[in-house]
Amino acid sequence: GESVGLHLPTLSVQEGDNSIINCAYSNSASDYFIWYKQESGKGPQFIIDIRSNMDKRQGQRVTVLLNKTVKHLSLQIAATQPGDSAVYFCAKGYQLIWGAGTKLIIKP
Amino acid sequence: GAGVSQSPRYKVAKRGQDVALRCDPISGHVSLFWYQQALGQGPEFLTYFQNEAQLDKSGLPSDRFFAERPEGSVSTLKIQRTQQEDSAVYLCASSLGQRDRRADTQYFGPGTRLTVL
Repeated sequence: GESVGLHLPTLSVQEGDNSIINCAYSNSASDYFIWYKQESGKGPQFIIDIRSNMDKRQGQRVTVLLNKTVKHLSLQIAATQPGDSAVYFCAKGYQLIWGAGTKLIIKP
Repeated sequence: GAGVSQSPRYKVAKRGQDVALRCDPISGHVSLFWYQQALGQGPEFLTYFQNEAQLDKSGLPSDRFFAERPEGSVSTLKIQRTQQEDSAVYLCASSLGQRDRRADTQYFGPGTRLTVL
């Protein structure tokens, strides 16, 4: 079946540095991938999405890269801020198959 | 405007009790989804409504789980004879989902944390 997996359960970065969160997925009939951010005690919040006919998509301070050859997805956050502290999930497909999440910790 | 709201935020139940969890989606959103999120895990899909029609309930773990959305707005997830393994956060999401539910961003509520003792 389809699955997604985050590479690291926890990622610590210095405030102001760029963060890169990686995600791998299994053989997928899905053509839609999404990144969500979940702060403690809150529901997931949509960050950015990408369809499989694209390799890259940019938002405000965030970029998603999709490498279909190696089935890899990444989220890049520029100039990481304390408010970026959260668990980040990649999800795929329209029923949203989710990975386990990467906790992003910002060091002052 | 108001986002998705869920109530109660926290629920403690004794094993064997029935519980009902409520979701108020964003006004005008056609699609509504329920997810179950275990501690430290990503959400897992339970069921999906388009208006009042339950189009997909493939994720419901057992026949003890039942969801409804009788008037196409508020939805209730009911769990009968709760078990300890039902302890989780139950998330509700809604989207515009006019025709193709795949096309629209899902907006999540804060979830209901259910603890079964």
